[in-house]
Amino acid sequence: DAGVIQSPRHEVTEMGQEVTLRCKPISGHDYLFWYRQTMMRGLELLIYFNNNVPIDDSGMPEDRFSAKMPNASFSTLKIQPSEPRDSAVYFCASSLNGDEQFFGPGTRLTVL
Amino acid sequence: GIQVEQSPPDLILQEGANSTLRCNFSDSVNNLQWFHQNPWGQLINLFYIPSGTKQNGRLSATTVATERYSLLYISSSQTTDSGVYFCATLNTGFQKLVFGTGTRLLVSP
Repeated sequence: DAGVIQSPRHEVTEMGQEVTLRCKPISGHDYLFWYRQTMMRGLELLIYFNNNVPIDDSGMPEDRFSAKMPNASFSTLKIQPSEPRDSAVYFCASSLNGDEQFFGPGTRLTVL
Repeated sequence: GIQVEQSPPDLILQEGANSTLRCNFSDSVNNLQWFHQNPWGQLINLFYIPSGTKQNGRLSATTVATERYSLLYISSSQTTDSGVYFCATLNTGFQKLVFGTGTRLLVSP
């Protein structure tokens, strides 16, 4: 079975542009998580979904960030407008029952 | 919330050496994962081990939940073991994984 799939793997954009990151969880997993990794803050949870419903978005840094999960096999994380401080690696993870989480390869975002 | 500490922060080994990485947590847990973040940035699941001992090839892990720690053993280390090792656990009542600060391992040939 394929693991968690993320696209794009790398994204370079200019400040003010909209950025959309995409994630396909492992088939059958009911939980989907978005994390961000930076040198300063390490790995931090942004938001997670259970059965496509957002459960906890307390980690979303600002209103510029939004996430959706229109169906069980697809989620997006959008940043509009992007800022240089948003530069980080964004990971998507999924879990069958909320316990063991499996991570995708990440999207390395650079905002100039 | 729960605090997770890892030691040592950095470790340098010669190929073939053994090592033990430690993860301490501030409260009792019923969830504990070990990950390896390779030099390309990918987070690889090593173990899901809320308690007891598991082994997978040259790696093994033990969690003693009542004493609030977990250990990751690497035997006969190889250069491909280099990277950062994270332990992580769930905050009580939440699905949020709390990560330790990691142990950065460098295995030299």
